[in-house]
Amino acid sequence: LAKTTQPISMDSYEGQEVNITCSHNNIATNDYITWYQQFPSQGPRFIIQGYKTKVTNEVASLFIPADRKSSTLSLPRVSLSDTAVYYCLVDSISSGSARQLTFGSGTQLTVLP
Amino acid sequence: DTAVSQTPKYLVTQMGNDKSIKCEQNLGHDTMYWYKQDSKKFLKIMFSYNNKELIINETVPNRFSPKSPDKAHLNLHINSLELGDSAVYFCASRTWLQGGRDYGYTFGSGTRLTVV
Repeated sequence: LAKTTQPISMDSYEGQEVNITCSHNNIATNDYITWYQQFPSQGPRFIIQGYKTKVTNEVASLFIPADRKSSTLSLPRVSLSDTAVYYCLVDSISSGSARQLTFGSGTQLTVLP
Repeated sequence: DTAVSQTPKYLVTQMGNDKSIKCEQNLGHDTMYWYKQDSKKFLKIMFSYNNKELIINETVPNRFSPKSPDKAHLNLHINSLELGDSAVYFCASRTWLQGGRDYGYTFGSGTRLTVV
């Protein structure tokens, strides 16, 4: 199974850029990387997804090196409302064959004023 | 409209009781899941149903029984509740797009179960 490793927690200050790295050494050819955000008392919410190189949307950027054994979620100019748990998930494209269904414990990001 | 809704949001019950959590999705997704999140935020798969058929059943006690009356519903019934069952339970749904993007899981807002 594709297992991911992330830091347990990170602190940042408002207005800074935050980078959270996830290791996934045994990622397979058909796998892609998805990041989720979870606020207290809510379910995880999809943020961004990528296969290789760089993906950017209105919320974040995702950087994936050529070997795809890691990925970095980049949050530009964080605010207090970005305080949440961030999960990295490595998953397969095919229906019913999701290789990693357990999200792990994620990274608790705390943004300080 | 809430995409994935689960009820109740909070559930406090005594040991030994039987309880159910309901989940409904209006996204037309093929697959639904139950996840359990412990106090350390570890989010672990319990069950997965695809078009009303059980496709994944992780190692959970057989006191937990999922039931899917149709593609849009996946309920979780728990018998003889124990203290260790206290956790937040999340329902989720998902579909895979042929040749298109996949937006991953859509989660409900969770049910906080407290067994006393």
